[in-house]
Amino acid sequence: DVKVTQSSRYLVKRTGEKVFLECVQDMDHENMFWYRQDPGLGLRLIYFSYDVKMKEKGDIPEGYSVSREKKERFSLILESASTNQTSMYLCASSPAGTGTYGYTFGSGTRLTVV
Amino acid sequence: SQQGEEDPQALSIQEGENATMNCSYKTSINNLQWYRQNSGRGLVHLILIRSNEREKHSGRLRVTLDTSKKSSSLLITASRAADTASYFCASDSGGYQKVTFGIGTKLQVIP
Repeated sequence: DVKVTQSSRYLVKRTGEKVFLECVQDMDHENMFWYRQDPGLGLRLIYFSYDVKMKEKGDIPEGYSVSREKKERFSLILESASTNQTSMYLCASSPAGTGTYGYTFGSGTRLTVV
Repeated sequence: SQQGEEDPQALSIQEGENATMNCSYKTSINNLQWYRQNSGRGLVHLILIRSNEREKHSGRLRVTLDTSKKSSSLLITASRAADTASYFCASDSGGYQKVTFGIGTKLQVIP
C-alpha cells in the first residue's frame, strides 16, 4: 500500500533542461517536503509546504522551485538543471503540526544531470 | 559536526546478534525519530521518542533518549539479514525546518 508516490525512480536529464519531479500522497496530509540526499551529507531540506499554495524555503532552495496546487500533490521544479543537482530526491509528507508524527517518505527519484 | 550525527557510520554483525547505533544532537529537541533506508529506496519511519520520554520499545527495537547528554541509541535485538539497511536519526527542534537528519549508520547483518 504505497502512500507517497514519486513519479520516477530514475531520471536522466541534460544540463539546462527544465525538470519536474512529482510527488503525490494519499493520506490527506497537510505537510509535504522535498529533500535531497547526497553521500556524507545526509538529507537536506529544499522546500516544504504546510498547506495548498503555501511554500517555504528550506536550507538549500537555490536553483529549485515548487508548486502545490492541490493538497495531495507537491512538485519540485529544477528551472535549469545543472550537474551539481545530480542527487537522490526524496518527497515526504506528515499530518498538520510538528513534533508529534514522523514523516512518510516516497521511494525517491535518482536524478542524473549530464 | 552535524546535528543528528550517528555513530558508528558502519556496523557489521552476525545474524542473531544485537545491533546498537548511537545518535548525538546539539540543540534541545521536541522529539527524536529513527528511520530505516534500504539501498536506493526512501526512508521508513521506525519510532519517535519525545523529549520527556527516556525509553521506547517497538517489536525488536528499543530506543533510549538522554537529553542531558543530547544523545539517543537504537537497539535492534536478534538481528536478521532483512535488517540490513542504513539507519538515520532525525532530531526535531520545533518547526518544519528544524528536523535535522544525520548521515546514517550503515548496518550489515551477515546470515
